[in-house]
Amino acid sequence: DAMVIQNPRYQVTQFGKPVTLSCSQTLNHNVMYWYQQKSSQAPKLLFHYYDKDFNNEADTPDNFQSRRPNTSFCFLDIRSPGLGDAAMYLCATSRDIAQSYEQYFGPGTRLTVT
Amino acid sequence: SQQGEEDPQALSIQEGENATMNCSYKTSINNLQWYRQNSGRGLVHLILIRSNEREKHSGRLRVTLDTSKKSSSLLITASRAADTASYFCATDQGNTPLVFGKGTRLSVIA
Repeated sequence: DAMVIQNPRYQVTQFGKPVTLSCSQTLNHNVMYWYQQKSSQAPKLLFHYYDKDFNNEADTPDNFQSRRPNTSFCFLDIRSPGLGDAAMYLCATSRDIAQSYEQYFGPGTRLTVT
Repeated sequence: SQQGEEDPQALSIQEGENATMNCSYKTSINNLQWYRQNSGRGLVHLILIRSNEREKHSGRLRVTLDTSKKSSSLLITASRAADTASYFCATDQGNTPLVFGKGTRLSVIA
């Protein structure tokens, strides 16, 4: 089945230790998104790729970076995680941004910072 | 930036009852989508309603859209324990990513 896969599902890292979260998709969608979601809050868009074009949200901290080496994979790098970065990180894809396309979400990676 | 605001923030009902959640937004939209999120999981798309539509059905789901009031409602009929989840509206304002609201946490008690 076509899907969005996130690895790992749970990640524990130490304060200040770089961490990378990964996302892959078999949908062949043009757009990939990274969201941060804290408890009982809405998903907060960090950035998205339209194909190879990177689009950063204005309020995304510099600590967060992303890479999309090919259509299928996208990575979220947190260079120096702080305690406030503990959250669920959701990857999503869509065929396009315009023309009312729905987003398909992965199961998320829950990040704990110790 | 946050566009949709769901109301209520939390809702608790008995199995078999209907659940109604509302979403208000601020700017004009192309369409509005509703998503469900089970605890600790990703979001799942439920239904999309376009700005020129007033009502849409999908199984036990009924969505309405009132563009003059900038509001939408999601009705789940004959609720089940498995409907327990958070429900988010998301607005499509054009050539930009969806903007999600804060969500309604629905608890259906068996």
